[in-house]
Amino acid sequence: KAGVTQTPRYLIKTRGQQVTLSCSPISGHRSVSWYQQTPGQGLQFLFEYFSETQRNKGNFPGRFSGRQFSNSRSEMNVSTLELGDSALYLCASSLDWTGFTEAFFGQGTRLTVV
Amino acid sequence: AQSVSQHNHHVILSEAASLELGCNYSYGGTVNLFWYVQYPGQHLQLLLKYFSGDPLVKGIKGFEAEFIKSKFSFNLRKPSVQWSDTAEYFCAVNDDNDMRFGAGTRLTVKP
Repeated sequence: KAGVTQTPRYLIKTRGQQVTLSCSPISGHRSVSWYQQTPGQGLQFLFEYFSETQRNKGNFPGRFSGRQFSNSRSEMNVSTLELGDSALYLCASSLDWTGFTEAFFGQGTRLTVV
Repeated sequence: AQSVSQHNHHVILSEAASLELGCNYSYGGTVNLFWYVQYPGQHLQLLLKYFSGDPLVKGIKGFEAEFIKSKFSFNLRKPSVQWSDTAEYFCAVNDDNDMRFGAGTRLTVKP
């Protein structure tokens, strides 16, 4: 079965712009989580969506937002980009929101802010 | 939310050496524990997981991890590493609220 698909794979944006990243989870998975990965910081939790509702949010400024559609596809948006937003953004999908389900990760979107 | 600490940032070993990567978490309640691996150029994938039962869990590729509740630890081990184990390893903890990851440990295995 198809894995988690993230688009685009690479993005270069200018400071002040906004960006939207997309994640298509594995078919049947209803939970989607987003992480920011930077060297030395590991994976920082951004937010999690389940059945179109945000269940949880990490410690990121309001410039970071997301949503989930009825088909479980998710998007995250970053407005007023800063240089420090350059990172690999990972999406993970799982069957549901409980801790008993494995998270499957996409390849990520590498965002470079110049 | 709980925090997850991985004490080793970069570990360099020779082939056939034994490996132990440390992972500690802060949450005192019931947790589910995971180790993920990210090989160069590939996506994160699950190595092993602990939900309950035997605290010594075995995963893929000869890896195992031991859950020590009193120490809030879930260390990853492998008796004899191979060059192909070169990767970044992430410990993750889920307290049924959300999943948090450690900063990762980069493992380099020299042939």
